[in-house]
Amino acid sequence: QQQVKQSPQSLIVQKGGISIINCAYENTAFDYFPWYQQFPGKGPALLIAIRPDVSEKKEGRFTISFNKSAKQFSLHIMDSQPGDSATYFCAAGWGGGFKTIFGAGTRLFVKA
Amino acid sequence: ETGVTQTPRHLVMGMTNKKSLKCEQHLGHNAMYWYKQSAKKPLELMFVYNFKEQTENNSVPSRFSPECPNSSHLFLHLHTLQPEDSALYLCASSQTDTSSYEQYFGPGTRLTVT
Repeated sequence: QQQVKQSPQSLIVQKGGISIINCAYENTAFDYFPWYQQFPGKGPALLIAIRPDVSEKKEGRFTISFNKSAKQFSLHIMDSQPGDSATYFCAAGWGGGFKTIFGAGTRLFVKA
Repeated sequence: ETGVTQTPRHLVMGMTNKKSLKCEQHLGHNAMYWYKQSAKKPLELMFVYNFKEQTENNSVPSRFSPECPNSSHLFLHLHTLQPEDSALYLCASSQTDTSSYEQYFGPGTRLTVT
C-alpha cells in the first residue's frame, strides 16, 4: 500500500524535553525514509534521512530510529527548543528517487 | 538567486480565469516536481519531470497542465479551477542519479480560487 501513516497530528513539548513522532508504512519497496521540517511560509526542507539497512541515525539533536520488521520509524528531537516549533513530515521514497510519499505531518510546538 | 524559486507567492483567481505558476531551480538538478499541500492532508505529488520529460501524472485533473521547457524551469498552467483547488502548490527538484533522494522545495504559491 502506498501510504505512510504519521502520528501524532500535533505535539506540545516543554523546552528541554524529548519530542517523538512516529510513522508506519506497509510497502517493502520503500528504500529511503526522510524527515522534512517545514516552517510557516517556507517549503519543507530535509532534516535527516535513513536507509532500511540501518537501525538508527543521529545528527546533532535529531535521531531516526528504524524498525524494519515492524515497518515503523520515528524521529526523536532531544533537548527540544522553541526554534524547533514547526511541522514535521515523514516520507518514504522508492523508484530511484522519483517517487516519494509523505505522511500527513505533525505540528510541533515547544513551550519556552 | 539560489535554490528553488516560485512565482507568484500568492495568487487569487476566479473559476473562469487562466493563470500560470512558475518554478525555477538553480541547483543543476535533473528532476522537478509539483506537489499540492492542503490543510491537514499529506503532500500530494502531482507531476514529475525527468530531464524535462514527464514521468509521472498522479491522476491530476486536466484543469492542471504542466510544462517543463528545460531542466531548470517548470510551469503549472491553471484553468477553470474549482474552490477545492485552493491550496499551497510546492515545486521541488532533485538529482536522482545519486544515493540521496533529497528533494529541495521552493516556498510555494498560495492559491485561492474564488
